[in-house]
Amino acid sequence: DSGVTQTPKHLITATGQRVTLRCSPRSGDLSVYWYQQSLDQGLQFLIQYYNGEERAKGNILERFSAQQFPDLHSELNLSSLELGDSALYFCASSGTGGATNEKLFFGSGTQLSVL
Amino acid sequence: AQSVTQLDSQVPVFEEAPVELRCNYSSSVSVYLFWYVQYPNQGLQLLLKYLSGSTLVKGINGFEAEFNKSQTSFHLRKPSVHISDTAEYFCAVSDIEGGKLIFGQGTELSVKP
Repeated sequence: DSGVTQTPKHLITATGQRVTLRCSPRSGDLSVYWYQQSLDQGLQFLIQYYNGEERAKGNILERFSAQQFPDLHSELNLSSLELGDSALYFCASSGTGGATNEKLFFGSGTQLSVL
Repeated sequence: AQSVTQLDSQVPVFEEAPVELRCNYSSSVSVYLFWYVQYPNQGLQLLLKYLSGSTLVKGINGFEAEFNKSQTSFHLRKPSVHISDTAEYFCAVSDIEGGKLIFGQGTELSVKP
């Protein structure tokens, strides 16, 4: 158990809809990262938050947004969903410094299926 | 920008045989290098990381990796694999300033009895 909690584990929705994925980092971790894993794209970095502020941005679509709340949990919002958004979405957290050499602890992921 | 290439998408191997999973990276700046493992239906776990110093890095579960700067490689090795090593392995790189961890496409290691 990594200590990172993601909910829900599975999500099935229709095209055009909006969903919210939730992540609770390990106790004490200030950094939260979101990744998308799909068969064709592999594991893609989406975005990182550190103590409530956006720290780094990757290949995140404009239809997607994220935030980190004062209690350090994070939400990834996906809107106007398309079939191609079907993927496994991982959240990861790291220690207090948010430095690039820190170990990431990954949650078990949310499997999103867009039908 | 950094990129990572894992040269083999699938590696089948028999139990107790040695294995090498290959990883090459490109970057214009100094980097940190990582190997993560993903067991079926689970998130990723860190196997090992190279930050600086000795180019041979030992990780968990008997894995090791060697950083080769001239060949920009970070291959993962294990002298004798077990059935339980069956998983997907990801090589990753982050630059020492940027904060993003960039992953390779993954290598599926399948250990057969």
